[in-house]
Amino acid sequence: KNQVEQSPQSLIILEGKNCTLQCNYTVSPFSNLRWYKQDTGRGPVSLTIMTFSENTKSNGRYTATLDADTKQSSLHITASQLSDSASYICVVSAQSGAGSYQLTFGKGTKLSVIP
Amino acid sequence: GAGVSQSPSNKVTEKGKDVELRCDPISGHTALYWYRQSLGQGLEFLIYFQGNSAPDKSGLPSDRFSAERTGGSVSTLTIQRTQQEDSAVYLCASSLGQGKQYFGPGTRLTVT
Repeated sequence: KNQVEQSPQSLIILEGKNCTLQCNYTVSPFSNLRWYKQDTGRGPVSLTIMTFSENTKSNGRYTATLDADTKQSSLHITASQLSDSASYICVVSAQSGAGSYQLTFGKGTKLSVIP
Repeated sequence: GAGVSQSPSNKVTEKGKDVELRCDPISGHTALYWYRQSLGQGLEFLIYFQGNSAPDKSGLPSDRFSAERTGGSVSTLTIQRTQQEDSAVYLCASSLGQGKQYFGPGTRLTVT
């Protein structure tokens, strides 16, 4: 069964500090991995998409890494800002047939950045 | 440009009534997804349309849930005989193939 596990479930950090969120998956056959940011009451917004051959991808202060061998990904946030407070969701895509695929969602990490 | 829009933004309905939720994807996007997010829970995949292919309905929780996508554009999610456990935010997303998904603002459904 395809699964995506995220840790920690929640995290509180001081403004300006860095943090790293983890995502472990057992999805096969792997197609890509995505990180989303979801503000309270809003739809998710894509941060990064990584395929099998990509080890790291950055989007501003967000840097995602992927280790396809250990099936782990991390999202590193540098110099956190109050606006980074949100849920961060890891989503893994698996090929499920010609031209079709299935998405498996993690439950997210709720990040709170405090002044 | 215009993003994904959903209507209504909020819907309160009585248990046992049918509801229809609408999603207008980004023009030209071939893939459309419906998700459900209950309070404090992660996103739950419901159904996905890709071009003219048969939709992937594997996430629909029961036969009370159905969705259609007319003309490869607008989609409607229908919940028949609503139950209180159907209360959630229903999110729609669209993408170009397997590209980045763009989410709509969601419809908050409350079943009383």
